[in-house]
Amino acid sequence: DGGITQSPKYLFRKEGQNVTLSCEQNLNHDAMYWYRQDPGQGLRLIYYSQIVNDFQKGDIAEGYSVSREKKESFPLTVTSAQKNPTAFYLCASSLRNQPQHFGDGTRLSIL
Amino acid sequence: QKEVEQNSGPLSVPEGAIASLNCTYSDRGSQSFFWYRQYSGKSPELIMFIYSNGDKEDGRFTAQLNKASQYVSLLIRDSQPSDSATYLCAVNTNAGKSTFGDGTTLTVKP
Repeated sequence: DGGITQSPKYLFRKEGQNVTLSCEQNLNHDAMYWYRQDPGQGLRLIYYSQIVNDFQKGDIAEGYSVSREKKESFPLTVTSAQKNPTAFYLCASSLRNQPQHFGDGTRLSIL
Repeated sequence: QKEVEQNSGPLSVPEGAIASLNCTYSDRGSQSFFWYRQYSGKSPELIMFIYSNGDKEDGRFTAQLNKASQYVSLLIRDSQPSDSATYLCAVNTNAGKSTFGDGTTLTVKP
C-alpha cells in the first residue's frame, strides 16, 4: 500500500541529546513537510522540501535540522538547541501544491 | 496579523444543521486552499481542496473561495455527530510553502 510512515510513534529525549524522527513515503511525491503541533494549536511548519537535496526553513526552524538525500525520505533531527521539544510532530508529502498526505505522527517528550 | 486565521471556536451545532467554518489569509500570492479534519490525537485528513474562485461541492461539504476578499470557507450540510472534530484551513503559496490556521473545533450535538 502507498503511504507515509513515521517512526517511532513515541520518543523520549534526555537533556542535551539530539534525536532523529524518521519519515518515509512511497507515494512518489516530490514535496515533503515537517510540522509541529502543540496541544490545542494548529500545525506550524518547521521545514519543507520541494525536491531532493533542497529544503527551506519554515516558520519555526530554530533548533531543528533536516536532510533530503532521497526522494522517499525526509528525516528531522531535534537538536539540544530546541529547549521546548515536547510536541506532536507530523510529516506530510504531496505533489506540488496538491493536498498533503500525513503520517500518523511522532509524540516527543522530555525525560 | 496571522498569515491564516480561522473563526474562533468552539462551534456547536445541532445534528442536521449547517456548520459554517471560515478562514482568511494574508498572502495574495496564495494559490491552493485546503480543508483538513483532525480527530483528537490523530493526524489530519483531507476534506476538500479548492484552487479557483467560486464554490466546490462534494457530498455534504462545500468549499467557497473568494481571492479578492482573501477568504475561504467550508460548509457542512446535515451535520452528523461523527463530524465533531477540529477543522484546519491550509493555504499554499506558489513557492510551495504551506501555512495552517489554528483550527476550529466543531461539536455536533445529537
